[in-house]
Amino acid sequence: EVQLVETGGGLIQPGGSLRLSCAVLGIGVSNNYMGWVRQAPGKGLEWVSDIQPGGTTHYADSVKGRFTISRDGPKNTLHLQMNSLRAEDTAVYYCTSNLLFSNSWIDVVWGPGTLVSVSS
Amino acid sequence: YELTQPPSVSVSPGQTARITCSGDALPKQYSYWYQQKAGQAPVLVIYKDNERPSGIPERFSGSSSGTTVTLTITGVHAEDEADYYCQSADSSKTYPVFGGGTKVNVL
Repeated sequence: EVQLVETGGGLIQPGGSLRLSCAVLGIGVSNNYMGWVRQAPGKGLEWVSDIQPGGTTHYADSVKGRFTISRDGPKNTLHLQMNSLRAEDTAVYYCTSNLLFSNSWIDVVWGPGTLVSVSS
Repeated sequence: YELTQPPSVSVSPGQTARITCSGDALPKQYSYWYQQKAGQAPVLVIYKDNERPSGIPERFSGSSSGTTVTLTITGVHAEDEADYYCQSADSSKTYPVFGGGTKVNVL
């Protein structure tokens, strides 16, 4: 069974930095399509970033230049480094696997989410 | 690139709810449907246009026609009240795209 568990959320002041982590169980972080999706309070789902098995990364325009996605193969962990945070980055951040390029529905998994609040 | 869903759908228990999702790239990309209840993570209910994951009730089905995909809930139960999101990819399959979400109200 695939499980994703996010950590690292919290309250941060505008302009600050935060690093989210996602512990990945049941699949390899390096040979699966991994990513982050966020949901602002009362709003819909917004794709943030992804990293493909080959290492190619993509970012939504709203976070490009401020967020960096990375993975740690030996620790089987996905990270999202968030810099220059803004109030509009306030959201629940979900770690996801295989939203694209999946071979089976079993591989399409979401973590429970971690809340990031950007406020002074 | 956008996927367009109606903001809400209201249905009585036992009736059929249909939620549409429109997008220009849908004829070329698979669609997925998620159910999200308050305070919970999204749950996959339809995979690759019309496949139903194990554990998802048979009353949930998906279909596709041209630039529109549809999630149908046949014989709605009270517990089906939730937000539903369609998801696909841009035409180059570079990144996932989500619809704005549809609130299903069970009257």
